[in-house]
Amino acid sequence: DTAVSQTPKYLVTQMGNDKSIKCEQNLGHDTMYWYKQDSKKFLKIMFSYNNKELIINETVPNRFSPKSPDKAHLNLHINSLELGDSAVYFCASSQGLSGASGELFFGEGSRLTVL
Amino acid sequence: GDSVTQMEGPVTLSEEAFLTINCTYTATGYPSLFWYVQYPGEGLQLLLKATKADDKGSNKGFEATYRKETTSFHLEKGSVQVSDSAVYFCALSFRGSTLGRLYFGRGTQLTVWP
Repeated sequence: DTAVSQTPKYLVTQMGNDKSIKCEQNLGHDTMYWYKQDSKKFLKIMFSYNNKELIINETVPNRFSPKSPDKAHLNLHINSLELGDSAVYFCASSQGLSGASGELFFGEGSRLTVL
Repeated sequence: GDSVTQMEGPVTLSEEAFLTINCTYTATGYPSLFWYVQYPGEGLQLLLKATKADDKGSNKGFEATYRKETTSFHLEKGSVQVSDSAVYFCALSFRGSTLGRLYFGRGTQLTVWP
């Protein structure tokens, strides 16, 4: 069983469309994250949820909206997609806030291409 | 602010060569330090960590020592293999951080040739 799973793995869409990426973890962790990795491999945190409560909300356009229906799921919805949204989006989870142990468990990533 | 600076890649080595990837940090207080590795097509995974000064983290033949005096956490391996080809990320966090934020460096691409 994959510990942190994301779907879809690849997503190709047109500018202006709305899309969602789903994430599920079966590790029993209480904290989940979304990271964005650009073409130069730079990794930037977008959001973090702890026990379904939003605790990190970086300077991200409000076209991006996370939703955590329960502790095991964190979905990312993106409205009005733009070319600059093309990237690999990683979901991650940790037990407690990552500052405590520093250990995040990452999914395999969802590569979004906006044409 | 708090940040991590890694040597720019790409780094290309022959098998069995010695590897060093430099990492320095800027932080108030005493962070915990980490190296993460990202193999092609995969997510990041924790490689090793050190939580206080002079600690040495080690795993899979890789080592890094937390040097407070030079604010560094350089990654080393005595003899690299083709399977070590990946992107390596240095990171820091603060114990007890209320936000749980992990700061990543920009990553260093390593390619090992047979």
